[in-house]
Amino acid sequence: EPEVTQTPSHQVTQMGQEVILRCVPISNHLYFYWYRQILGQKVEFLVSFYNNEISEKSEIFDDQFSVERPDGSNFTLKIRSTKLEDSAMYFCAGGRGTNTGELFFGEGSRLTVL
Amino acid sequence: AQSVTQLGSHVSVSEGALVLLRCNYSSSVPPYLFWYVQYPNQGLQLLLKYTSAATLVKGINGFEAEFKKSETSFHLTKPSAHMSDAAEYFCAVYAGGTSYGKLTFGQGTILTVHP
Repeated sequence: EPEVTQTPSHQVTQMGQEVILRCVPISNHLYFYWYRQILGQKVEFLVSFYNNEISEKSEIFDDQFSVERPDGSNFTLKIRSTKLEDSAMYFCAGGRGTNTGELFFGEGSRLTVL
Repeated sequence: AQSVTQLGSHVSVSEGALVLLRCNYSSSVPPYLFWYVQYPNQGLQLLLKYTSAATLVKGINGFEAEFKKSETSFHLTKPSAHMSDAAEYFCAVYAGGTSYGKLTFGQGTILTVHP
């Protein structure tokens, strides 16, 4: 069964460093998302991406964050200069864009910023 | 705007006992509702979904949930808990419209199953 895959599963980085989290969505999905979950908190929407552009982003998704899908396969989340508070589990998700909102999530990438 | 409240951050049951995980939602439009499960060191897996068809929804692993509009609830149940059900469960709402896939999650409920 096709699935969303994410790499790395865990990354430790120093504050101020750039981080890129990668995701390979299911091939017939059209919409792509990043969510994050800070330890002990809710899963939060970060950004949605469709037709090679951001369709919506939350207030969390500031100028330090960017997304792209350069090769039509990998969907990446870049954090330009990481802060301690960026430590979280980041989930990639994909969907067909049906009006039911059903998403397929990856296993997550745990980011630890020291 | 929509929101989700899961009552009880931790629920503990004995193996074979009824599982009841509570979820209440707030939405200005008819919602679509989901339960996701997260096993240790794994991602979010869809358990079941309500998409305005039948109000009683059956999912995987013997779980079901009932949409009650009058109570704005979507509680998750399973008649008999199994050790393998130990996980964190998230209720989520999607309000439709053009924000495809923008889900609002509850804070999660950790289910512990005792032998």
